[in-house]
Amino acid sequence: GIQVEQSPPDLILQEGANSTLRCNFSDSVNNLQWFHQNPWGQLINLFYIPSGTKQNGRLSATTVATERYSLLYISSSQTTDSGVYFCAVDASGGSYIPTFGRGTSLIVHP
Amino acid sequence: DSGVTQTPKHLITATGQRVTLRCSPRSGDLSVYWYQQSLDQGLQFLIQYYNGEERAKGNILERFSAQQFPDLHSELNLSSLELGDSALYFCASSVEWTGTAPPYGYTFGSGTRLTVV
Repeated sequence: GIQVEQSPPDLILQEGANSTLRCNFSDSVNNLQWFHQNPWGQLINLFYIPSGTKQNGRLSATTVATERYSLLYISSSQTTDSGVYFCAVDASGGSYIPTFGRGTSLIVHP
Repeated sequence: DSGVTQTPKHLITATGQRVTLRCSPRSGDLSVYWYQQSLDQGLQFLIQYYNGEERAKGNILERFSAQQFPDLHSELNLSSLELGDSALYFCASSVEWTGTAPPYGYTFGSGTRLTVV
């Protein structure tokens, strides 16, 4: 099946810093989503982004499907951004079931 | 509130027992997905139902089963529980899946934390 690798696995920031999270995938995809899991375990869909660039407030995401990677940018980070960020893809020609990466654990200190 | 409701939020049970986890999808969503999240395996897809029918199967053990009812709520049954089944179990729902275009708006419930002792 499709492989999804996220980097870095862990990230510690000071409030106000910017960061870039990366998701590499091994095959062409129908769909790519970014999720945030907060410290209470809730999974929130951030972006549905099979290609191109999207922005939502301090977050933005870019997917370059031809090169099989996606980037999630967090600007002016806040303590509420802490948690785990997951990338999930479903492979072209597949069953549209997302395969999740192992995530990037982000801690933002005040 | 994501619109996807999972009950119970926490469950503690003994090895060998059977439990049922319940999920009500977001209004209008016909597809329900079950995932298991453990520390060593990450988020693993278990099974998908679409409008009452099983649509796709992932890494679901034979001791586990699921169904989706006419009112679209779904139940995940876990039997002969082992210590290793301790995990967060998530349900997600999505808008109608036509089979010719991918679904979007994948929404997760808040999960059921299962502890097997």
